[in-house]
Amino acid sequence: GAVVSQHPSRVICKSGTSVKIECRSLDFQATTMFWYRQFPKQSLMLMATSNEGSKATYEQGVEKDKFLINHASLTLSTLTVTSAHPEDSSFYICSAHTGGPTEAFFGQGTRLTVV
Amino acid sequence: AQTVTQSQPEMSVQEAETVTLSCTYDTSESDYYLFWYKQPPSRQMILVIRQEAYKQQNATENRFSVNFQKAAKSFSLKISDSQLGDAAMYFCAYYGGATNKLIFGTGTLLAVQP
Repeated sequence: GAVVSQHPSRVICKSGTSVKIECRSLDFQATTMFWYRQFPKQSLMLMATSNEGSKATYEQGVEKDKFLINHASLTLSTLTVTSAHPEDSSFYICSAHTGGPTEAFFGQGTRLTVV
Repeated sequence: AQTVTQSQPEMSVQEAETVTLSCTYDTSESDYYLFWYKQPPSRQMILVIRQEAYKQQNATENRFSVNFQKAAKSFSLKISDSQLGDAAMYFCAYYGGATNKLIFGTGTLLAVQP
């Protein structure tokens, strides 16, 4: 099956700093990538939809200036958490798709801890 | 708006037994896809099974099968011959062209007892 690599798997950062999370499709071109946030023992909450070469579409309630998404190529999308605060601590997951979400391939997730 | 409901927060099954996880959804679309994803303790999301709404035949993948009732908007997952490695969080998900995104249920945590 297709492989999506998400890096880093874990990151600890200081409050006020920014952290970048990468999502790469290793063996296919992803026209669309999705970014999710997952709180402990809860479901995946869609944050934004990222399309190559265009601006990301954010879900209602997600601060686009805080969670910067860039999809510069068909194999790479990045999520930058700017001016991180402890409440941003969470598990972030990306998924990559060759077309619509009918063929969704997930990254292994990133656990972000802001101290 | 489309919604996905999983009414069983936790389930338990004995090894080698069969368990059924429930999922209901609400939509006005006629063409859509339904999925079951598994999330083990590693938290890697794994596709278990997929069902196209236009197909009447229930999807099966080895020990995993679904009972798709389109009129009732029900999509349950049956796991036969449960194994310890089946222990995980299971999410039901919906995709329709109107929203172009996956909508997840709240999940069911499955424990497998040896």
